[in-house]
Amino acid sequence: AQTVTQSQPEMSVQEAETVTLSCTYDTSESDYYLFWYKQPPSRQMILVIRQEAYKQQNATENRFSVNFQKAAKSFSLKISDSQLGDAAMYFCAYRSLETSGSRLTFGEGTQLTVNP
Amino acid sequence: AAGVIQSPRHLIKEKRETATLKCYPIPRHDTVYWYQQGPGQDPQFLISFYEKMQSDKGSIPDRFSAQQFSDYHSELNMSSLELGDSALYFCASSSRAGFHEQFFGPGTRLTVL
Repeated sequence: AQTVTQSQPEMSVQEAETVTLSCTYDTSESDYYLFWYKQPPSRQMILVIRQEAYKQQNATENRFSVNFQKAAKSFSLKISDSQLGDAAMYFCAYRSLETSGSRLTFGEGTQLTVNP
Repeated sequence: AAGVIQSPRHLIKEKRETATLKCYPIPRHDTVYWYQQGPGQDPQFLISFYEKMQSDKGSIPDRFSAQQFSDYHSELNMSSLELGDSALYFCASSSRAGFHEQFFGPGTRLTVL
């Protein structure tokens, strides 16, 4: 079974600065997707960014980018020019493409605080 | 754009009662997933359906059952409720065409007293 680990329960950043959230995962598969989801106080799960494992190029969505290291099984999220609205719980998630079903397996989450 | 709809948004039940949670996926989405998120925890996968057939099963208690109907909406039925069932229950939907992306509903907050 796949596991996802987020070793930073809490992180903080100053507004307009950059922060990196860490995620590692364990799998024996070669085909999968990785995601970062944001969960603000409203508890809504919002997709931030996704990465296909077969793509070497790191995904980017506006101020959000990832550093995907497949051999190291690492998938970090970089938030640039942090804004107050970025404050939320961030979950890293794994989705297999090799086994039946398409469940998401989440990490424990990182609570991000943005200081004005 | 239409989103995933869940009802009710909040539900309060007594121990040993039953509860039914409903999920209406995004139009033309054929796959529905259920997740349970306990206080301070990450979402845990319960069960999923594709074209009205169960496609995957996770850590869903035997007291829970679910199904997907012909209009693709899904219901999660929970019986003999326990205090530990208090959680936020998410439904997500996806389409085989957009195979990799799951869109989450706002969740149903279940409180068992």
